Amino acid sequence: SQQGEEDPQALSIQEGENATMNCSYKTSINNLQWYRQNSGRGLVHLILIRSNEREKHSGRLRVTLDTSKKSSSLLITASRAADTASYFCATAPTGGFKTIFGAGTRLFVKA
Amino acid sequence: DGGITQSPKYLFRKEGQNVTLSCEQNLNHDAMYWYRQDPGQGLRLIYYSQIVNDFQKGDIAEGYSVSREKKESFPLTVTSAQKNPTAFYLCASSTQGFTGNTIYFGEGSWLTVV
Repeated sequence: SQQGEEDPQALSIQEGENATMNCSYKTSINNLQWYRQNSGRGLVHLILIRSNEREKHSGRLRVTLDTSKKSSSLLITASRAADTASYFCATAPTGGFKTIFGAGTRLFVKA
Repeated sequence: DGGITQSPKYLFRKEGQNVTLSCEQNLNHDAMYWYRQDPGQGLRLIYYSQIVNDFQKGDIAEGYSVSREKKESFPLTVTSAQKNPTAFYLCASSTQGFTGNTIYFGEGSWLTVV
């Protein structure tokens, strides 16, 4: 199984609601990143959280990291139809080299 | 504007043909990568290069080849040995190879076997 696994695989919400996506990983990490991918496009970096950080904010995004549980969550507040996309977590294992991407969460925001 | 340019956006390959996907970056990044993405799936690493004239196999390198003759360019050739090449291909770069650095992606190329 993959280092980073997102949950849920798919999420459908109404515009204005909050969307929460989770990422679990297996080994200790240096940092964890979240990326967004619109359908048929490249990935865009959203936010990076280091292993010694617990929470980070960027606009409507809030990322938490719990290294004891080896998990992270991405919260999008007051979602918009334009937030419809796939969201991927990517981990940088400690002592490793490669950045490892999860399979992603597909978010659909209904207007 | 700085970024990564992939071309073509759509490419069709006949059985037995080799095709080359172009990737150019003007971000002055040392490291470049090629990923494959199948519908509804995550990213799988094909090849990566940390510096000019050097590249390494990723997790699914069989049936693919690359070159890195210039810092800005990292073309990917999908050879006839790749039996199931239909997929979305993403080129990416970072300031240094992996180590948790932010990775910047191109807009992708769709390859379809006809």
